[in-house]
Amino acid sequence: DTEVTQTPKHLVMGMTNKKSLKCEQHMGHRAMYWYKQKAKKPPELMFVYSYEKLSINESVPSRFSPECPNSSLLNLHLHALQPEDSALYLCASSQYNSYEQYFGPGTRLTVT
Amino acid sequence: KNEVEQSPQNLTAQEGEFITINCSYSVGISALHWLQQHPGGGIVSLFMLSSGKKKHGRLIATINIQEKHSSLHITASHPRDSAVYICAAGGSQGNLIFGKGTKLSVKP
Repeated sequence: DTEVTQTPKHLVMGMTNKKSLKCEQHMGHRAMYWYKQKAKKPPELMFVYSYEKLSINESVPSRFSPECPNSSLLNLHLHALQPEDSALYLCASSQYNSYEQYFGPGTRLTVT
Repeated sequence: KNEVEQSPQNLTAQEGEFITINCSYSVGISALHWLQQHPGGGIVSLFMLSSGKKKHGRLIATINIQEKHSSLHITASHPRDSAVYICAAGGSQGNLIFGKGTKLSVKP
């Protein structure tokens, strides 16, 4: 299984809602990543988890809260988002840090 | 100045043409990544290289560490190669710094 899955594919939420994005891989990878991509822009790194511990937080606002409950699963909890947070959220994993990354298909988030 | 610069930004080619996309970076890297993104969002890793040259099918990637420069070549281009190609500098913790991408369109 060489796949990274993300759910949901699409999400529309209001600014007062709380929602979560989910990312899963069963390749035994020990590093997982969250990226944000705005239209016609390259992805931007948000968080890196290494061995289930947060190793990089790229100064992301606290309304985005990552969680890595086990080595296969990565969540991104969303609360009180702004319309400018609307974007494609991509998850990726790699065997270890600095190895080749495998990307999921993304969750397209719209904040109304 | 961006830490990872790609050129050209847009590229239109006729089917069968040889294509080159260039990438220059100004940061220290553990590896240089080439990625492909199709409309709809899916990103596929094409190459990860830290020296020399790698080949996969019609795709070739080269890197010159001293000059901090990498190139992606596509031989015998095909319309299905149409996509955005992204160069990314990889740090030791797996953090990627992305270039702005090259939008390639191959016409039949």
